[in-house]
Amino acid sequence: NAGVTQTPKFQVLKTGQSMTLQCAQDMNHNSMYWYRQDPGMGLRLIYYSASEGTTDKGEVPNGYNVSRLNKREFSLRLESAAPSQTSVYFCASSEGDRATFFGQGTRLTVV
Amino acid sequence: GQSLEQPSEVTAVEGAIVQINCTYQTSGFYGLSWYQQHDGGAPTFLSYNALDGLEETGRFSSFLSRSDSYGYLLLQELQMKDSASYFCAVRDTDTGRRALTFGSGTRLQVQP
Repeated sequence: NAGVTQTPKFQVLKTGQSMTLQCAQDMNHNSMYWYRQDPGMGLRLIYYSASEGTTDKGEVPNGYNVSRLNKREFSLRLESAAPSQTSVYFCASSEGDRATFFGQGTRLTVV
Repeated sequence: GQSLEQPSEVTAVEGAIVQINCTYQTSGFYGLSWYQQHDGGAPTFLSYNALDGLEETGRFSSFLSRSDSYGYLLLQELQMKDSASYFCAVRDTDTGRRALTFGSGTRLQVQP
């Protein structure tokens, strides 16, 4: 059982470049999330999808777009990367209030 | 919105007991969760308290007092592998999205 799978694991971008982070879950969860984590800090919500076809902005959505492609997949796109977007990105999914399951993270550096 | 406060660092010795406190402010409340994250790893779910009282899972216990907006994570019989960051989290209820809002984390260092 793979859980939540993110790709890529590492990425270096130049300022202004674009990229898409992919995420898929195999737990049949309705809710999916994208968080970012900066050094020594907690996770901050970028975007959220309560179900297939719906997305909602989180705490720090500027500079990002998302697509909930189907129930399994939720992608995050950086249209024009900036150094301030250097971070670790986590995709997550949940069903109900008890537990949220996280992918292994994407370590993104923007130079 | 939500805000959570927890100590930034805690140090303890192997075999000891440590308590990590969390106080929160929310406009709505669905429960308090705890997550563990090792350096370079992903957060993993530890426990969830929706009601007041103590929840026990092996060496880990979590407590919630809704009237005090306070909870704690108790780790017993500490092992070196428990060295990690621990985050408390609550569901975001302001917009109904029910996503987790995290505290800044407590870094636990277990010494021999």
